[in-house]
Amino acid sequence: DQQVKQNSPSLSVQEGRISILNCDYTNSMFDYFLWYKKYPAEGPTFLISISSIKDKNEDGRFTVFLNKSAKHLSLHIVPSQPGDSAVYFCAANDEYNFNKFYFGSGTKLNVKP
Amino acid sequence: NAGVTQTPKFRVLKTGQSMTLLCAQDMNHEYMYWYRQDPGMGLRLIHYSVGEGTTAKGEVPDGYNVSRLKKQNFLLGLESAAPSQTSVYFCASSYSEQETQYFGPGTRLLVL
Repeated sequence: DQQVKQNSPSLSVQEGRISILNCDYTNSMFDYFLWYKKYPAEGPTFLISISSIKDKNEDGRFTVFLNKSAKHLSLHIVPSQPGDSAVYFCAANDEYNFNKFYFGSGTKLNVKP
Repeated sequence: NAGVTQTPKFRVLKTGQSMTLLCAQDMNHEYMYWYRQDPGMGLRLIHYSVGEGTTAKGEVPDGYNVSRLKKQNFLLGLESAAPSQTSVYFCASSYSEQETQYFGPGTRLLVL
């Protein structure tokens, strides 16, 4: 059973609007979360992270929100650009198994010009 | 810096054949990882290494072996390939635990 889930396989957004990508997890021990971005034929690249002591982390156009009680995190991209079109993976781990990251299945974002 | 490189990029194997996937990193990272990615699933950790000469099992280690004889290289071996091992394999490295992992471009493996 997957411990990290991304229930939306795809998302389409108009350029300039907000993209919201969601991620749910089941393991309450998870305390560190990351988002990766992946273009076709390339490996994932790190985008942004958040630890459980925070509920928000911002980096330019990208903001990650963490709701620990709901075991939910989301990635907001504002404004969305065509170059943001990629597959986005969320990942999580805990301090007791800090070498093991659990990944969601990914959400394919398409930003239309 | 090349970052993380993987060899080969694509391979077709017959059931029962063996092969080794090579991962190399030039960032002097201690930690290295092998993942597989299958349709509809996230990346799943196969094996990892916390330093030269060390290896450990991940989430889905069965059917695979690994070696880390040199700090910069992490090898993934399939002794007797099975169709269930058809997947895209990604290698990653990081400076330490819970640090950002840097991924290679992936190896697409098809087992017939």
